[in-house]
Amino acid sequence: AQSVTQLGSHVSVSEGALVLLRCNYSSSVPPYLFWYVQYPNQGLQLLLKYTTGATLVKGINGFEAEFKKSETSFHLTKPSAHMSDAAEYFCAVNGGYSTLTFGKGTMLLVSP
Amino acid sequence: NAGVTQTPKFRVLKTGQSMTLLCAQDMNHEYMYWYRQDPGMGLRLIHYSVGEGTTAKGEVPDGYNVSRLKKQNFLLGLESAAPSQTSVYFCATSRDRVDEQYFGPGTRLTVT
Repeated sequence: AQSVTQLGSHVSVSEGALVLLRCNYSSSVPPYLFWYVQYPNQGLQLLLKYTTGATLVKGINGFEAEFKKSETSFHLTKPSAHMSDAAEYFCAVNGGYSTLTFGKGTMLLVSP
Repeated sequence: NAGVTQTPKFRVLKTGQSMTLLCAQDMNHEYMYWYRQDPGMGLRLIHYSVGEGTTAKGEVPDGYNVSRLKKQNFLLGLESAAPSQTSVYFCATSRDRVDEQYFGPGTRLTVT
């Protein structure tokens, strides 16, 4: 089986502060891991993905995530939050199945 | 290229009515998916298809049927709508099971 746990349904940061969104996964095989972002009234779009190789993955809009096998984690970070980063973020895992399993999402709120 | 499109964007049904949601893609992708998104629940997979003429059940298939008669189209049907099916429905496509999924803009369905 595969599963994803996102810690915190809402995360609030100030503009310019570090963004850290947490994701832990469960998979019986080496996983493929994804972060997606959803802006209001839109579909999801890919931020970044980990397949194999380098464990630090860089994505769009300055986001990056690090795959840590020993901690079964794939946390998303951005050094400096921007107002435009306010959105809902979803972590997803593919652990050898035909489909992705998504986490429940974390809403990122950015205040001026 | 339009990417992934969904028809309609909004719909209100009465309990017991039926309807079909259409997903169309011009990306020549083999895999197609139907998800529902409910507050606090993330995305849950309803049905998916790994190629023309194939369909498979996802996590929450009850009350829904699907068909993939043409590679570019994936239809989601509700035979007898229930208030519990009030949700936002997303279609997605991918080249294969581990590749990035591309999402449509969603259909907001309300069942009264």
